[in-house]
Parts: sequence; structure tokens; C-alpha cells
Amino acid sequence: DTAVSQTPKYLVTQMGNDKSIKCEQNLGHDTMYWYKQDSKKFLKIMFSYNNKELIINETVPNRFSPKSPDKAHLNLHINSLELGDSAVYFCASSLRGGSGNTIYFGEGSWLTVV
Amino acid sequence: TQLLEQSPQFLSIQEGENLTVYCNSSSVFSSLQWYRQEPGEGPVLLVTVVTGGEVKKLKRLTFQFGDARKDSSLHITAAQPGDTGLYLCAGGWSNNNDMRFGAGTRLTVKP
Repeated sequence: DTAVSQTPKYLVTQMGNDKSIKCEQNLGHDTMYWYKQDSKKFLKIMFSYNNKELIINETVPNRFSPKSPDKAHLNLHINSLELGDSAVYFCASSLRGGSGNTIYFGEGSWLTVV
Repeated sequence: TQLLEQSPQFLSIQEGENLTVYCNSSSVFSSLQWYRQEPGEGPVLLVTVVTGGEVKKLKRLTFQFGDARKDSSLHITAAQPGDTGLYLCAGGWSNNNDMRFGAGTRLTVKP
């Protein structure tokens, strides 16, 4: 069983469309994250949730809206997609938030906006 | 400017050579982690260091946390092609969920 699974793995879509990426973790962790990795491989945190509660909301456009129906799921919805949104989006989880906790990453969702 | 600066950005060496990569910041961290990422996959944790001056060894990999907890180094002895990958350092603080990543060092070990 994959610890952190996200779907779809690949997504090609046109500018202006709305799309969602789903994420589930079966590790029983309290904390989940969304990271964005750009073409230069820079990994930047977007959101972090503790037990369904939003803890970190970095400066990302409000076209990006995370939703956590329960602590095992953290989905990412993106409205009005732009070319600059093309990147790899990683869902991740850790037992708790805060320093020193191992972050377990999913395999990533490759988003290409054309 | 990034909070964590990693150097070198790219490193290509022959099998059997030794190498050191660096992770530097002006911020003090509660802990620092090293991850390795292979193409098409997410990063995987290698080590966590939490005490200034701490040294941890993982087979041929030696990790050190700076005395002031602002920097770290990763030394690989007798590199092998299987060590090829993107090495990312990440710093965190005990009072929040935030883990900040460096831009990584892309290591290629040629047979």
C-alpha cells in the first residue's frame, strides 16, 4: 500500500480550466501538506493542515483552494489555471507538525497548462 | 533569496570519489533534514539532525549540523552510481509546521 497517494499523476489541461488533485495518506498522521516543485526543482510549501485545520497558507494565489474533509485527505483545487501553474505538486504528511518530524511525500502530480 | 542555500547546485563525479555538499542559512533552525529525490518520485528522508555540532552517519553518508544550527553538510565517501539524485536540505522550527527546503544539489555519479 502506498503511504501517501495522490491522483492524477499526470494532468495536461488548457488555460482557464479548473482542476483538482486528490491526496490520501494511510499512515494515521495528523499533519498534511501541499508543496509545489518548479522546473528548477525548488520545493516550496503551499499549505499545511493539522487535523483538518489550516495551519500554513503561504502566499499563493487564491485560485488555489485546499480542502481537508478528514485528517487522512487533503485535496487541492485550482481555478482558472494559468501557464505559470505548470509544476509538480507534492502532497505529503507527517505524524505531527513541527520540526524534526519526517515528511512522507507522495509521488507527485505533474501539471502542465497549455 | 532562498532561506536555505545549497551548494554546489550541480555535481558530476566518477564512481569512487568523495564529495561534500553544503546547506547554509542565516536562520537558526530547531532541526535540519536531508532528503534525496530520484526522478519521477517524491523526496525521501535520509536523516534528521537536531543538536548543534551533531554528526550522524548512514553507511557512506556523514551528516553534520553546524554548531550554531544554521548550516549543515553532507559528505559521501566512495560515491556509487546509486547515489545519483537530487539532495535537498530542509530546516524547521519547533513552534510551527513550516519546513523550508533548499533548491537542492543534483549529484551524478558516473560508473
